[in-house]
Parts: sequence; C-alpha cells; structure tokens
Amino acid sequence: QAVVTQEPSLTVSPGGTVTLTCGSSTGAVTSGHYPYWFQQKPGQAPRTLIYDTSNKHSWTPARFSASLLGGKAALTLSGALPEDEAEYYCFLYYSGARVFGGGTKLTVL
Amino acid sequence: EVQLVESGGGLVQPGGSLRLSCAASGFTFSRHWMHWVRQAPGKGLVWVSRINSDGSTTTYADSVKGRFTVSRDNAKNTLYLQMNSLRAEDTAVYYCTRDQPIDYWGQGTLVTVSS
Repeated sequence: QAVVTQEPSLTVSPGGTVTLTCGSSTGAVTSGHYPYWFQQKPGQAPRTLIYDTSNKHSWTPARFSASLLGGKAALTLSGALPEDEAEYYCFLYYSGARVFGGGTKLTVL
Repeated sequence: EVQLVESGGGLVQPGGSLRLSCAASGFTFSRHWMHWVRQAPGKGLVWVSRINSDGSTTTYADSVKGRFTVSRDNAKNTLYLQMNSLRAEDTAVYYCTRDQPIDYWGQGTLVTVSS
C-alpha cells in the first residue's frame, strides 16, 4: 500500500502564509490522485476543505487554496488566523484504495 | 440539513465482533458513495472502506480486508460496518463520510478492543 507523506509540523505567524505539502511513495502526485485536504481540531470530527486538487466547499475559507506543486499536492494558507491552528490531513486515491497522509500539525504563533 | 450519525461502538474483547451503523438524513442517500474512516486515540486518520451507491462495489484497506464488511440499506438510509476478528489495533473512533465529493462527516463512534 502506498505511503502518503506530510510535514509533521509547521508554524506560521498570524497573518502569515504557509504551504503544506503532500507526497506519494509511488511518485508524483497528479490530478488522478484526486487530492483532498481535511482540517481537524482537537475533539472534533474532520472537516473537508479541498477536493479534487483545488476545489473548495461552500464552507472553505477563501484564505485556503490548493494546487499541485513540484510533484506534490499543496495546501496554502494565506493570512493565517488563530482559529486555523489544527491538524491537516491530505488524502489520495490509488486505483480503488484511498490513503491518508500522517497529518501536519499547524501552529499559529 | 445533511446529518450522519454513527452508532454501535463500545467495548469488545479481542476476536469479537461489532456492527457499526451510520444513519443518514437530509439528502438522497442512495445517490452517494460512502466511506468509513477511523482514528486511533492520539493518532491520524486512516481510511477503512468505501461502498458505491447501490452497494454492488466495495473496497477495503489492507489492514481490515477479510475481517470487515461494509454494506448499506438504501431503504433505511443506513450504512453499516460489520467488524469481525477484532484486534487491539482496531481500537479507534470510526467515522462515516459522504462521497461525490467527500464533504460531510459524522461525529464518530468509539470502538475499544480490549480484554
């Protein structure tokens, strides 16, 4: 089974910009992996932010954007707010199976 | 309002069985694929299984293949996860999610496998 890799932790200053990445052990991440990004805060269920590489749900704040960058999926947060402090997970499709990354703990400090 | 409510979790001994349910409301359940995702205490999310809209196609993570079975009853708007031969490492909160695309999640139900 493929392994999906994320930065274990990142820190961003309030108002700053940060990019989280998501790599695959099988090679470059492409649109065919239909990358997702989820946000999870302590004690809460996950919330879907991004689907199919860069599409947002109606509840996704505009400060979040996503793309493919250098063979990885990427989630960029521009203008970080204290409430963006959370765990972020990417999720990739592999010919039927799906795999989550290990998560990135984002600290806003 | 879309709602997904999981139930059926609890304490079970190693080797035992448990059936989880996910009651769906607020949307046409029969039109959506569904997933089960789990999260061990203090750990990350792990995809478990998915089922297509009419229940004819299922896929599983290697870690549960042959032990877990996902099914659905579209007349009852309910998704199920039958878990057999449970192990300590299956201890987790189990979430159901709606697909096409993945959007709404339930609040989860805790399964504890321990003697």
